[in-house]
Amino acid sequence: DAGVTQSPTHLIKTRGQQVTLRCSPISGHKSVSWYQQVLGQGPQFIFQYYEKEERGRGNFPDRFSARQFPNYSSELNVNALLLGDSALYLCASSLGQFTDTQYFGPGTRLTVL
Amino acid sequence: AQSVTQPDIHITVSEGASLELRCNYSYGATPYLFWYVQSPGQGLQLLLKYFSGDTLVQGIKGFEAEFKRSQSSFNLRKPSVHWSDAAEYFCAVPRMTGRRALTFGSGTRLQVQP
Repeated sequence: DAGVTQSPTHLIKTRGQQVTLRCSPISGHKSVSWYQQVLGQGPQFIFQYYEKEERGRGNFPDRFSARQFPNYSSELNVNALLLGDSALYLCASSLGQFTDTQYFGPGTRLTVL
Repeated sequence: AQSVTQPDIHITVSEGASLELRCNYSYGATPYLFWYVQSPGQGLQLLLKYFSGDTLVQGIKGFEAEFKRSQSSFNLRKPSVHWSDAAEYFCAVPRMTGRRALTFGSGTRLQVQP
């Protein structure tokens, strides 16, 4: 079975622009979480979706938004990009059972100039 | 709130030597605990996890970790390190809210000398 896939792999944007990142979970997984990993740090939780509903939100500004589709894929949107948004954005999927294991995709590297 | 501390930012070991990476956690109950590994520019791969039961957990690639409740620790070990083990290692616990998401430590970068 395919693992978690993310697109695009790399992205370069300028300040003020908007970006959409995409994630497809492992087949059968109903939960998707998004993380931001700034260089040299551990991943920071942004959002979690389960059964198309937001189930958790980290300490990120309203410029960050996400949604989950009926096929359980997900998009992360970031508006009004700042230089500090440059990071590796990771998507993880899980079955959705209580505190089960998260499986991560390869990430999308976003560079904001 | 939950938190994870990885005291060692960078560790260098010789190939064939043993390895121990430290992880301390703060959590309101007995936590579930995870170790992930990240190669440069890549996503995270699960090495092992502790949910309950035996406090010594075996993982992939010859890694193991021991849960010690009295010390709030979940240290990762490997008896003999290979050059391919060079990577960044992250310890994680579930968030107290939105409990299918994780809180990660800041990571330990492992360098392996020939």
